[in-house]
Amino acid sequence: QQQVKQSPQSLIVQKGGISIINCAYENTAFDYFPWYQQFPGKGPALLIAIRPDVSEKKEGRFTISFNKSAKQFSLHIMDSQPGDSATYFCAAASGETSGSRLTFGEGTQLTVNP
Amino acid sequence: DTAVSQTPKYLVTQMGNDKSIKCEQNLGHDTMYWYKQDSKKFLKIMFSYNNKELIINETVPNRFSPKSPDKAHLNLHINSLELGDSAVYFCASSQGLQRTEAFFGQGTRLTVV
Repeated sequence: QQQVKQSPQSLIVQKGGISIINCAYENTAFDYFPWYQQFPGKGPALLIAIRPDVSEKKEGRFTISFNKSAKQFSLHIMDSQPGDSATYFCAAASGETSGSRLTFGEGTQLTVNP
Repeated sequence: DTAVSQTPKYLVTQMGNDKSIKCEQNLGHDTMYWYKQDSKKFLKIMFSYNNKELIINETVPNRFSPKSPDKAHLNLHINSLELGDSAVYFCASSQGLQRTEAFFGQGTRLTVV
């Protein structure tokens, strides 16, 4: 059972456009929702994260929107750049003793064309 | 000054062999993890250690045995390798048991032939 579902699987955007990636989760105990960025041959790196007590968090060109009632969250990349081309993973975590035990979505391959 | 380092980066071996992957972090974190990324890039947690104690074992075959000699190291030993073990294995670390940023290593690409 996939606890975090991510879409789309792949996304092609023109330079300067907005990239939007969506995730939905099942487990209402999740209370930490990070997004990770992964370049080929590298490990995932934290991009931005949100907790369910806020509906939106913005860091530079990256914004997370969170809808607790719908159990959905999304990543918006404004003014997308070719350097943003990477695989993006949403994730979720819960549990006081689980640390950063992350349940990942399936990933979205983003390509930003120049 | 790599934060989380894994060795080797690439590992090619035959079925039935035993191999180990080493991981070290210099961030002063006390929680470390092993994740497996399959050919479709799906990431799944395998193990988690806090202060050298196993706290998460995610239904991983017992051919996989993690070992944490100290807080800065978490090694992964795999016995009797199978074709299905081919994947990229990532070590990660985070501070404490709260939900905080997990820092990932560069990965070890294991190919079983």
